[in-house]
Amino acid sequence: DAKTTQPNSMESNEEEPVHLPCNHSTISGTDYIHWYRQLPSQGPEYVIHGLTSNVNNRMASLAIAEDRKSSTLILHRATLRDAAVYYCILNNAGNMLTFGGGTRLMVKP
Amino acid sequence: GAGVSQSPSNKVTEKGKDVELRCDPISGHTALYWYRQSLGQGLEFLIYFQGNSAPDKSGLPSDRFSAERTGGSVSTLTIQRTQQEDSAVYLCASSLDGRSYEKLFFGSGTQLSVL
Repeated sequence: DAKTTQPNSMESNEEEPVHLPCNHSTISGTDYIHWYRQLPSQGPEYVIHGLTSNVNNRMASLAIAEDRKSSTLILHRATLRDAAVYYCILNNAGNMLTFGGGTRLMVKP
Repeated sequence: GAGVSQSPSNKVTEKGKDVELRCDPISGHTALYWYRQSLGQGLEFLIYFQGNSAPDKSGLPSDRFSAERTGGSVSTLTIQRTQQEDSAVYLCASSLDGRSYEKLFFGSGTQLSVL
């Protein structure tokens, strides 16, 4: 299964943009890149996903490298409520979604 | 229902007892997933259902773990002869058809504590 690599933790100041990187060098052509986040004591929630093109939604933007071996989740203005563990995963209709350790984002006021 | 519902939210049991964890997916979702999350760790995939069928059971940690889904809806994860290392949060998720571009919707999980 294709795996992803993320930094264990990152810090950001409130109101500033945050760029969360993810490496997935063994991605296959049919893998969708998904991002989820998990707030304390909650199940993960969907953030965004994409295949090849950059994507924007109300929560975040997803920038995908041209070779698809890496991607970056962009939070345009971090708030204290964005403090969570962010997971980058690959979804290939085989449906065994493998969640790695994720990146713990800390937001400082 | 409005979201994925899991019950119980907390379960404390004694070592050696059997436990059943229940997941009620979003109505109409054919794909259902079970994950386990130990304290401070990422999510470990356990099993996936498409309808009532589980094509891949290789993620189940041991033969003490089993899962079933009936009527294409509710799923039950059963752990027999529980051990202390089974203590974790068990998360369930569902998606519409299990396609790779679909969102997963997660429940709040069942916190299992084995004493």
